[in-house]
Amino acid sequence: DAKTTQPDSMESTEGETVHLPCSHATISGNEYIYWYRQVPLQGPEYVTHGLQQNTTNSMAFLAIASDRKSSTLILPHVSLRDAAVYHCILRVAPQQGTGSKLSFGKGAKLTVSP
Amino acid sequence: GPKVLQIPSHQIIDMGQMVTLNCDPVSNHLYFYWYKQILGQQMEFLVNFYNGKVMEKSKLFKDQFSVERPDGSYFTLKIQPTALEDSAVYFCASSSTPNSDYTFGSGTRLLVI
Repeated sequence: DAKTTQPDSMESTEGETVHLPCSHATISGNEYIYWYRQVPLQGPEYVTHGLQQNTTNSMAFLAIASDRKSSTLILPHVSLRDAAVYHCILRVAPQQGTGSKLSFGKGAKLTVSP
Repeated sequence: GPKVLQIPSHQIIDMGQMVTLNCDPVSNHLYFYWYKQILGQQMEFLVNFYNGKVMEKSKLFKDQFSVERPDGSYFTLKIQPTALEDSAVYFCASSSTPNSDYTFGSGTRLLVI
């Protein structure tokens, strides 16, 4: 799986909209962009994923650049519970019946202040 | 939502002994994974498992490690014998297909002394 680049950390205040950037300049055509987050003492939690089109769910909006070389996870109206390490991960669509692993990096630590 | 349960949450074991970490995956999931996270470091993939077989393993998955899921029971990671460097948090995950998102457990904190 190709590499991603994220800032080490970002700071925000409750109620703000946060934009978490991710660069993946060497992404391949068959790689999906996944976002997970992890809070201390817990396993990672799925946030969202996309291939080409922007996606949205109850947790976040994922904006994918038209050339797919970067993406931004947008968290509207963050709360203290959104403080976590956010991982941007590229994942190759696997062949049917074979396993597919997620490869985690250091991620970006989001701090949310009251 | 559906959860992955890991038992025990903490384990302390003497170096050289055997340890088995248990994972109760989401009920309709068919793909299972173990990850290792040393304190302060990133999560590292160990192994994935499907249809009774190891599909892929990393260099961290030493010969002392083994995984299995006897019918209808826990998905287990066994380490025999344990070494000091095996101290870490081990996370289990499961997914319904190879392409779907993973559901992770809360981890088993293993301390080898």
